[in-house]
Amino acid sequence: AQTVTQSQPEMSVQEAETVTLSCTYDTSESNYYLFWYKQPPSRQMILVIRQEAYKQQNATENRFSVNFQKAAKSFSLKISDSQLGDTAMYFCAFMKHIISGQAGTALIFGKGTTLSVSS
Amino acid sequence: AAGVIQSPRHLIKEKRETATLKCYPIPRHDTVYWYQQGPGQDPQFLISFYEKMQSDKGSIPDRFSAQQFSDYHSELNMSSLELGDSALYFCASSLESRVYGYTFGSGTRLTVV
Repeated sequence: AQTVTQSQPEMSVQEAETVTLSCTYDTSESNYYLFWYKQPPSRQMILVIRQEAYKQQNATENRFSVNFQKAAKSFSLKISDSQLGDTAMYFCAFMKHIISGQAGTALIFGKGTTLSVSS
Repeated sequence: AAGVIQSPRHLIKEKRETATLKCYPIPRHDTVYWYQQGPGQDPQFLISFYEKMQSDKGSIPDRFSAQQFSDYHSELNMSSLELGDSALYFCASSLESRVYGYTFGSGTRLTVV
């Protein structure tokens, strides 16, 4: 069974600063996908960034980037130039590789990290 | 762009009543997932459907059932409601061949009193 661990229940950062959220996972799968989702106070689940395990290059989406260490089973999220709108709960999630023609698999979430950005 | 539509947005029910939540996935998405998120908790997977057939089952209570219809919309039926069923229920959809992560709906907030 896969597990996802987020060891930081809460974090805070000042506007314009950089913050890194940690995530580790455990799996025996060799190919899989990792995601970071953001859940602001509106409770909407928003995809922030995704990483395919077979790709060594770290994913980047504007101010968001990941540090993917496959051997260490680590998948941290770095938010640069933090903005007030980044205040949210952030979930790290794992999904097994999908075999073409078969159903997708469930996302397994970590417990989340509450990020507060202050001015 | 079309998103995942869930209805109703809010629902208040009494204990032992029945509730039905609806989900309309993004057009052409072939997989629908249901998740339950309690206050301050991470989303827990309940059940999924691929091409209108149940494809995976998570921690869904026996009091709950779900199905996906010919137009791909899905319904989660919850009977004999308990106070502990109060939660945010998410539906998400995806296209199996494109792993961009799911697209989540805005959720249905169920309150059982």
